[in-house]
Amino acid sequence: NAGVTQTPKFRVLKTGQSMTLLCAQDMNHEYMYWYRQDPGMGLRLIHYSVGEGTTAKGEVPDGYNVSRLKKQNFLLGLESAAPSQTSVYFCASNNGRLAGDTDTQYFGPGTRLTVL
Amino acid sequence: GNSVTQMEGPVTLSEEAFLTINCTYTATGYPSLFWYVQYPGEGLQLLLKATKADDKGSNKGFEATYRKETTSFHLEKGSVQVSDSAVYFCALRTGGYQKVTFGIGTKLQVIP
Repeated sequence: NAGVTQTPKFRVLKTGQSMTLLCAQDMNHEYMYWYRQDPGMGLRLIHYSVGEGTTAKGEVPDGYNVSRLKKQNFLLGLESAAPSQTSVYFCASNNGRLAGDTDTQYFGPGTRLTVL
Repeated sequence: GNSVTQMEGPVTLSEEAFLTINCTYTATGYPSLFWYVQYPGEGLQLLLKATKADDKGSNKGFEATYRKETTSFHLEKGSVQVSDSAVYFCALRTGGYQKVTFGIGTKLQVIP
């Protein structure tokens, strides 16, 4: 199993440009998440999905959109990038169980985005 | 709201030294508590967890005990190695994983 993969690994954008980050998981997980990681702030939840075709807002959703058209993929879109969106973005997934040994959230390796 | 407090570091230790990274929390209800480790250039990995008071989580020589009376979940390891150099995140969960609160992360540097 590849686990959780993210593309691209790095990207530089100019203010106002758009882009889509792709997250894919091969563990048949129902739940998927997008986080951003900023210095001194830990991880903050942007959006999440509890199943194919569903999405919901997290703590910091403004400026981002998401889609979950297929169970294994969760896309994060920036329609008009701003310098404040410079960050490292992590995708994660889990199977929905909240007890026992399978109660684990798996993270991708991250995408480093710089907006100039 | 919920919060997790940990020092940012960096914490610099010599190999074989004893490690403690403090974590305290504020939460409503009875959260589950986690420690994650992030190696350079990688995503977070679950290191250990505890789901109720007085539980001890342990893995790879690391351990942490869920202390409800002091609202703490301090991470300890008796003898650190250079390979333990990473960023360590304390986190709590109340409900599903969409309700996880992360600390800011503590960078650990272990020198030979």
